[in-house]
Amino acid sequence: KQEVTQIPAALSVPEGENLVLNCSFTDSAIYNLQWFRQDPGKGLTSLLLIQSSQREQTSGRLNASLDKSSGRSTLYIAASQPGDSATYLCAVRPGFNDYKLSFGAGTTVTVRA
Amino acid sequence: NAGVTQTPKFQVLKTGQSMTLQCAQDMNHEYMSWYRQDPGMGLRLIHYSVGAGITDQGEVPNGYNVSRSTTEDFPLRLLSAAPSQTSVYFCAVQDKPNYGYTFGSGTRLTVV
Repeated sequence: KQEVTQIPAALSVPEGENLVLNCSFTDSAIYNLQWFRQDPGKGLTSLLLIQSSQREQTSGRLNASLDKSSGRSTLYIAASQPGDSATYLCAVRPGFNDYKLSFGAGTTVTVRA
Repeated sequence: NAGVTQTPKFQVLKTGQSMTLQCAQDMNHEYMSWYRQDPGMGLRLIHYSVGAGITDQGEVPNGYNVSRSTTEDFPLRLLSAAPSQTSVYFCAVQDKPNYGYTFGSGTRLTVV
């Protein structure tokens, strides 16, 4: 059974600092990995999707890397802003014909002004 | 969360009552699923459907029923609500395999 872990569970940084969020998974046979953002009391917003054949994906200040062999993905957020405060979740999809996502419990980020 | 609509947004039930959580999508995606989110446990898959007329169980299906008569709708039924079903429920859809998932805004359910 795929286990997805996100450490730390919470993170507080001053505005302007770069954020590094970690996601690890136990089974390296994945199809893709997706990062989401969740604001309090809201739904999940997709940030980045990385296919198993890719090493990284970038969108604006966000960059996600994937190392399948070591079972790790890292989400980098450059020059953090108070508006980046949220919970960040990673989810792993096992295979092409397997739609069941395995989620980490998330990292809650607070960016202090 | 354009394209995926969940209703209601909030609901309080008494133990033993039944209800249906609605999920509707206008993106014509084949794959739809239901997750529940509980503090410290991440999201867990309840049921999913790969197309109209096809459903299957996820990780935590007990106490829930689903059906998929159309591409657009995927309702989740609680047959006899229990306090353990207090949670936030999310509906998710996906188009092609190489695309990501789109989530609805959620239904917050409290069973007393």
